[in-house]
Amino acid sequence: EIVLTQSPATLSLSPGERGTLSCRASQSVSSYLAWYQQKPGQAPRLLIYDAFNRATGIPARFSGSGSGTDFTLTISSLEPEDFAVYYCQQRSNWPLTFGQGTKVEIK
Amino acid sequence: QITLKESGPTLVKPTQTLTLTCTFSGFSLSTSGVGVGWIRQPPGKALEWLAVIYWNDYKNYSPSLKSRLTITKDTSKNQVVLSMTNMDPVDTATYYCAHRLTISEWSANWFDVWGQGTLVTVSS
Repeated sequence: EIVLTQSPATLSLSPGERGTLSCRASQSVSSYLAWYQQKPGQAPRLLIYDAFNRATGIPARFSGSGSGTDFTLTISSLEPEDFAVYYCQQRSNWPLTFGQGTKVEIK
Repeated sequence: QITLKESGPTLVKPTQTLTLTCTFSGFSLSTSGVGVGWIRQPPGKALEWLAVIYWNDYKNYSPSLKSRLTITKDTSKNQVVLSMTNMDPVDTATYYCAHRLTISEWSANWFDVWGQGTLVTVSS
């Protein structure tokens, strides 16, 4: 099973700042990595798939990069609605696995 | 517009079997490439993928839970059913069903539309 390790566990930032979240895979997942955003009491929302493709309706301030084992989600300028928990997921190997999440909180 | 909604018991006793139904609209599970997955999330914890079923009735299960899970579809009713046997308190979680991403004739195991989730508590 591929283990996805996200860092940091918590990211404290102010609105307008740049956020950089990391996801590291225990073995190569090629570019088969996605990012989801989850707000309290809500279902996850797909942001990025296949490492860098924005899902429908996702603002351009969200971008994904990386390949192999190291991936990054960048939020160029945090909006108030971006404070949430972010999860990565891989589809390279069965079973599908998720990271443990990074909480982006208001500083 | 694609929507999904989970339904089922909110409380089950240990050792019982949980049966959850995902009722969806806006797509057909008989269309090539389409799939529906189940993912759960214990309170305050991370997401865990459970199972996925495809348009051709192919299924994949989480290996750690495979012996306890069964996923089926009823295309005529636009429903997917997940059964989990021998429930334990550690199975207490919000259970989500979700639509597998499809773009034109391309599809992949990303989940682009999710149901609201249903909290299942396992307790005697």
